[in-house]
Amino acid sequence: ETGVTQSPTHLIKTRGQQVTLRCSSQSGHNTVSWYQQALGQGPQFIFQYYREEENGRGNFPPRFSGLQFPNYSSELNVNALELDDSALYLCASSPPPGTDYNEQFFGPGTRLTVL
Amino acid sequence: AQKVTQAQTEISVVEKEDVTLDCVYETRDTTYYLFWYKQPPSGELVFLIRRNSFDEQNEISGRYSWNFQKSTSSFNFTITASQVVDSAVYFCALSDTRGGGKLIFGQGTELSVKP
Repeated sequence: ETGVTQSPTHLIKTRGQQVTLRCSSQSGHNTVSWYQQALGQGPQFIFQYYREEENGRGNFPPRFSGLQFPNYSSELNVNALELDDSALYLCASSPPPGTDYNEQFFGPGTRLTVL
Repeated sequence: AQKVTQAQTEISVVEKEDVTLDCVYETRDTTYYLFWYKQPPSGELVFLIRRNSFDEQNEISGRYSWNFQKSTSSFNFTITASQVVDSAVYFCALSDTRGGGKLIFGQGTELSVKP
């Protein structure tokens, strides 16, 4: 069974730039969620994708956007980067929303630094 | 509003000591799920346990045990005979199943086990 993978591992950008982070879900999982974890904080929910559509969104501005592809992999795009966007971005996959077994399994994360 | 509070920011113990990590949650839902995740220095969140709101049975898994009490809205985690490998940040999380499974995390408790 293949776990959740994310790329790249680390990324350095400057303010105002755009970034795309990628995630491949665990085998058999069709739901992908993205979280932002600032240093010393708990992860914060950004949004979730199910069947290629956004299925819930946290308190993040529209410059955070995403996609899910037919193979259930996903992208997180952030436009107009700000210094506060520096964080560990975690992707998690899970079975469909509402199922009894709904643990989310996380990837290793992408560490984004905005200078 | 949903909220998870982990009042202990850092805990330091000596190997073989028992340690309890506290978690208090707030929710208006009657159906919800509680989770514990471990985040070692590598950054990847590792799933430890899921408990639903209808199951107040305590659970033991090896050196780990969990005490769920709805009356006090608490879901505490105890490590018996701690080991250096237990050193990590531990997160308690709450899921609103109607929301599609997004996780609301506490701030985390950093556990340091010294030899």
